[in-house]
Amino acid sequence: GQQVMQIPQYQHVQEGEDFTTYCNSSTTLSNIQWYKQRPGGHPVFLIQLVKSGEVKKQKRLTFQFGEAKKNSSLHITATQTTDVGTYFCAGLETSGSRLTFGEGTQLTVNP
Amino acid sequence: EAGVAQSPRYKIIEKRQSVAFWCNPISGHATLYWYQQILGQGPKLLIQFQNNGVVDDSQLPKDRFSAERLKGVDSTLKIQPAKLEDSAVYLCASSLYRGGYEQYFGPGTRLTVT
Repeated sequence: GQQVMQIPQYQHVQEGEDFTTYCNSSTTLSNIQWYKQRPGGHPVFLIQLVKSGEVKKQKRLTFQFGEAKKNSSLHITATQTTDVGTYFCAGLETSGSRLTFGEGTQLTVNP
Repeated sequence: EAGVAQSPRYKIIEKRQSVAFWCNPISGHATLYWYQQILGQGPKLLIQFQNNGVVDDSQLPKDRFSAERLKGVDSTLKIQPAKLEDSAVYLCASSLYRGGYEQYFGPGTRLTVT
């Protein structure tokens, strides 16, 4: 079945540093979604990417979808303590309607 | 707009007991999902409903797990009998339709099996 892998598993940064998490799928995706889960909370939708090579920005967050639609990245510029949480990518197979989540990258920001 | 509601929020049971979780999705959302999230892992889809029909239950351990969505609105997920490895957070989510739509998650039910 489809596998979605994320690296790194953990990332500790000083406030103000940049952060990037990478997501790779074993199969070509129809689209990819990103979610954020705060400690003790539930996943919250951030964004969806659909087109090959697509880049979207949300304030300090930049999301990219690879040309082959098998990989994606999330980059945060100048992290803040409010960015703390686990970031999940979730890929939608081209052949179905199941969203497969990666294992997530847990971000810790030291003030 | 009210979010996805789930109950109970916490449940502790002994192995071999049964347990049920309830979910009420966002009004008007046709698709409802049940996920299992083990500590330190991403959510894993157990079952997906479109209205009151099952779309995908390929990852549901059907020998012990069952779910229903009567009348295409709220849903229940049952585990009988529970095993130690069922300890996890059970998340319910809903979306307007299935496929590439934003999923809205409920607060989850944290299950501990002792």
